[in-house]
Amino acid sequence: QSALTQPPSASGSPGQSVTISCTGTSSDIGGYNYVSWYQQHPGKAPNLMIYEVTKRPSGVPDRFSGSKSGNTASLTVSGLQAEDEADYYCSSHAGRNNFVVFGGGTKLTVL
Amino acid sequence: EVQLVQSGAEVKKPGESLKISCKGSGYSFTNYWIGWVRQMPGKGLEWMGIIYPGDSSTRNSPSFQGQVTLSADKSISTAYLQWSSLKASDTAMYYCVREVNSYFDSWGQGTLVTVSS
Repeated sequence: QSALTQPPSASGSPGQSVTISCTGTSSDIGGYNYVSWYQQHPGKAPNLMIYEVTKRPSGVPDRFSGSKSGNTASLTVSGLQAEDEADYYCSSHAGRNNFVVFGGGTKLTVL
Repeated sequence: EVQLVQSGAEVKKPGESLKISCKGSGYSFTNYWIGWVRQMPGKGLEWMGIIYPGDSSTRNSPSFQGQVTLSADKSISTAYLQWSSLKASDTAMYYCVREVNSYFDSWGQGTLVTVSS
């Protein structure tokens, strides 16, 4: 069982928007503004998409955005494209001992 | 360009030892934490621990404490993940990552470890 809870799947049609949630506790997501999101295509290493809740690394399209409310973080993908189909993982700082925890991952399907 | 290049795939028997590597380039290796992330077949990501090559300080996930050893040789900009006695359940892809403020901005290509009798 993962420390952070994500829905196992999400889907949307090209051009639509989809939001993936990531629920934790006050000891991780709710306690720190250190939530990040990773995209992983099959057979590839994950790639950083969002860090520190809302920031995008250079090269990541602005169709990807992050937010947080209380113990739940969200990743929104706007204007869905076929290449967005992948697994998405959230993670959060979880204090000095646990340091980083991941969500179980969400498989995003572009219909 | 920041790069993390990992050693190649390994096939081992239960009980054998193993050390895999991750070589950093394109940045000051001693100034960033290097972490390890496990991905078992068909499963999600798990944070194992991190090491600071500057002074070899480590922090381990409770789930992996005592199961693996993290080390680094700053003279050759290389971090290592080591097992003393592998189990079949150690079969997984292992990624090294560069850590910044609890996020991982650069990932190695992964090292597939297969443990089978």
